[in-house]
Amino acid sequence: NAGVTQTPKFQVLKTGQSMTLQCAQDMNHNSMYWYRQDPGMGLRLIYYSASEGTTDKGEVPNGYNVSRLNKREFSLRLESAAPSQTSVYFCASSESGTGTYGYTFGSGTRLTVV
Amino acid sequence: GNSVTQMEGPVTLSEEAFLTINCTYTATGYPSLFWYVQYPGEGLQLLLKATKADDKGSNKGFEATYRKETTSFHLEKGSVQVSDSAVYFCAASNFGNEKLTFGTGTRLTIIP
Repeated sequence: NAGVTQTPKFQVLKTGQSMTLQCAQDMNHNSMYWYRQDPGMGLRLIYYSASEGTTDKGEVPNGYNVSRLNKREFSLRLESAAPSQTSVYFCASSESGTGTYGYTFGSGTRLTVV
Repeated sequence: GNSVTQMEGPVTLSEEAFLTINCTYTATGYPSLFWYVQYPGEGLQLLLKATKADDKGSNKGFEATYRKETTSFHLEKGSVQVSDSAVYFCAASNFGNEKLTFGTGTRLTIIP
């Protein structure tokens, strides 16, 4: 019962480098999400995918792109990393069509941009 | 959209003390309400939830009651343990809107 798996767990990038954060879920959930967590800011939604083949911007999408590769996988790409993107990134998934079930979260990726 | 306001932290309590973490929300309609817990170095885990007014969610000795009249969902536990030390997040979601809105989190530390 893996749930939501994120890779890598830790990453250090130089300013301007690119990278992709990977996320996969094995619960057959339709909806997937990317959040960032910063001290004192709580969780902020970057992008989400309500179903396979669709993606939408969240609260803080600038500097990021996403791909819903298939029903299981939802990746987050930083094309040109900036120090302001230093954060902990969480992927989550949920059943679609209702808000009553809540989300299942991955264990996070701690990203430092120097 | 929804907004969630929760008690500023950090909160420090002695073991076996009574815990309350306040959470209030603003929303159109009747959201589902959640408490998540985040242990050090881990992701968020669903602690409890309530989907309609007057529902009480409970888990691991924690409870929260959905109060429509005060738009609140306060988290309580009668006797906390050191193992309850974590960050607690309140969240709200509307039916048909899959996005959860989170509060900023409350860090709880329990000292022996």
